[in-house]
Amino acid sequence: GAVVSQHPSRVICKSGTSVKIECRSLDFQATTMFWYRQFPKQSLMLMATSNEGSKATYEQGVEKDKFLINHASLTLSTLTVTSAHPEDSSFYICSARFTSYEQYFGPGTRLTVT
Amino acid sequence: DAKTTQPPSMDCAEGRAANLPCNHSTISGNEYVYWYRQIHSQGPQYIIHGLKNNETNEMASLIITEDRKSSTLILPHATLRDTAVYYCIVRVATGTYKYIFGTGTRLKVLA
Repeated sequence: GAVVSQHPSRVICKSGTSVKIECRSLDFQATTMFWYRQFPKQSLMLMATSNEGSKATYEQGVEKDKFLINHASLTLSTLTVTSAHPEDSSFYICSARFTSYEQYFGPGTRLTVT
Repeated sequence: DAKTTQPPSMDCAEGRAANLPCNHSTISGNEYVYWYRQIHSQGPQYIIHGLKNNETNEMASLIITEDRKSSTLILPHATLRDTAVYYCIVRVATGTYKYIFGTGTRLKVLA
């Protein structure tokens, strides 16, 4: 299947700082990418839909000024957690739409805010 | 998107078939059923999808009832490596193609 990577795989940052997470589709172009958040022992929660060259569409309850999403190219989307706090500690997962039928997920990024 | 309902957990003996049910009683005619699984601390892995007909690939079989209100994922010969959380997702065929994950079924394959 198609490959999606995320960087970094783990990050620890101090409260009040910003963290950027990259999501790349390695062997295909993705006009649409998605960002999810997953807390321990819970399901994935969709945060936003990222379309190349346009503004992201955020799900209800997700603060767009706190979770900045940029999809500048067909192979790269970035999620920046601004002014991170301990409650933002979570597992962040991206996915990229390969075709109308297939969506591939990255391996996830574990964010810990101290 | 239609909501899905799955049992929270199931056990299966190694080498036996694992049958994972999913209810999606509010599914619309243009919505597909997708199955993904997530092994601990990894991203979800695609398994199979279908619209109306039963589907089979190298990983699993998907049985969709005639009224499309429920489906069953079948892992024909479960192995220990199949231990994971299995998610049944119903997704519209057009538009954003976004997935709304339910709570999933935690499958434990026992030796």
